[in-house]
Amino acid sequence: GENVEQHPSTLSVQEGDSAVIKCTYSDSASNYFPWYKQELGKRPQLIIDIRSNVGEKKDQRIAVTLNKTAKHFSLHITETQPEDSAVYFCAASMGSNYQLIWGAGTKLIIKP
Amino acid sequence: DGGITQSPKYLFRKEGQNVTLSCEQNLNHDAMYWYRQDPGQGLRLIYYSQIVNDFQKGDIAEGYSVSREKKESFPLTVTSAQKNPTAFYLCASTSGGSTDTQYFGPGTRLTVL
Repeated sequence: GENVEQHPSTLSVQEGDSAVIKCTYSDSASNYFPWYKQELGKRPQLIIDIRSNVGEKKDQRIAVTLNKTAKHFSLHITETQPEDSAVYFCAASMGSNYQLIWGAGTKLIIKP
Repeated sequence: DGGITQSPKYLFRKEGQNVTLSCEQNLNHDAMYWYRQDPGQGLRLIYYSQIVNDFQKGDIAEGYSVSREKKESFPLTVTSAQKNPTAFYLCASTSGGSTDTQYFGPGTRLTVL
């Protein structure tokens, strides 16, 4: 069936180090892959997205890479800061109406 | 964070009751969505609407109902048929379809007593 698997469920990194979160998806026709950040008690907000005609996209300390052959995409955060602590969700558009299917989330903890 | 609002923030329901969650947006967005968020799980789509007076079921529509009489409003009713309704409910909207940026409301936490 349609699904998105996200790993790890929890990631703890030292402040200043890099963090990588990976998602795999089931539908080879998926064409849109956003990443959302949800801080504690707040609403999810888009931080970066990528479409299937692009292999990589960067925005300052954040980057997303897409491997269509392997059906996986990853979020990379460099030079992590305390304000990066949050839950991160990946999603992929799937199905006849290309609705988003979401990963289970990764809790990112930045250690001082 | 303005633009899309949800009310109430917290809602308590007795078993057997129907309750309605409000979602309003002033972004002039055509499409609106309702998601359910449970601990340790991703967002699951309940219903979505791409245009006024039209809506489609998502993956977990059973026990829920919606209406879209106005572009700005997309209320969700949790009926007594929903066996496990305790969850955090998020409303979202996009200017176009699901492959546009989704703007979320602050959410409603529903608890069944």
